[in-house]
Amino acid sequence: NAGVMQNPRHLVRRRGQEARLRCSPMKGHSHVYWYRQLPEEGLKFMVYLQKENIIDESGMPKERFSAEFPKEGPSILRIQQVVRGDSAAYFCASSPQAGEYEQYFGPGTRLTVT
Amino acid sequence: GENVEQHPSTLSVQEGDSAVIKCTYSDSASNYFPWYKQELGKGPQLIIDIRSNVGEKKDQRIAVTLNKTAKHFSLHITETQPEDSAVYFCAANTGNQFYFGTGTSLTVIP
Repeated sequence: NAGVMQNPRHLVRRRGQEARLRCSPMKGHSHVYWYRQLPEEGLKFMVYLQKENIIDESGMPKERFSAEFPKEGPSILRIQQVVRGDSAAYFCASSPQAGEYEQYFGPGTRLTVT
Repeated sequence: GENVEQHPSTLSVQEGDSAVIKCTYSDSASNYFPWYKQELGKGPQLIIDIRSNVGEKKDQRIAVTLNKTAKHFSLHITETQPEDSAVYFCAANTGNQFYFGTGTSLTVIP
């Protein structure tokens, strides 16, 4: 079984450009979580999605950030008009069910804003 | 919301010795506590977890203990090996969200 896949692994964007990060969950998992990790810090929850629904986006900045998990295809985290402070590692995790169930993480996308 | 604190931030042990990492949490509604190992440049990997109806769980050299009354849980690694060197994160689950500690960088000295 393939694990959680994320692409690209590394992404460089200039200030003001858009960044699109993709996440394909493990087979059979319909719950996807996005986290941001700054250097030498823990993971900060951003958003939790199920197929075609955003369940909890309380950790996501209200401007410039959006996420989706369409019926077909990967989940996408979109950052518009990136700024240097957006530089971080973004991790996606998937789970077979919500709540008290194991989350499996992808390898992450490292975003650098120049 | 939940607040998870993790100590120590760095830990060095000699190969073969034990390592202990401790976490505390604030929300008594949290019921699921996973531990993750993260190697450089990789995503976190689940290594062990515990639910609130259990006080201790062991998997080979790794064990986790949970004290719900005191709201703390710990990771124990025995007979450490150089390949155990990594950053370890604890987490607590409340509702839909997982709250992570700030990580412990473990170095096992050969």
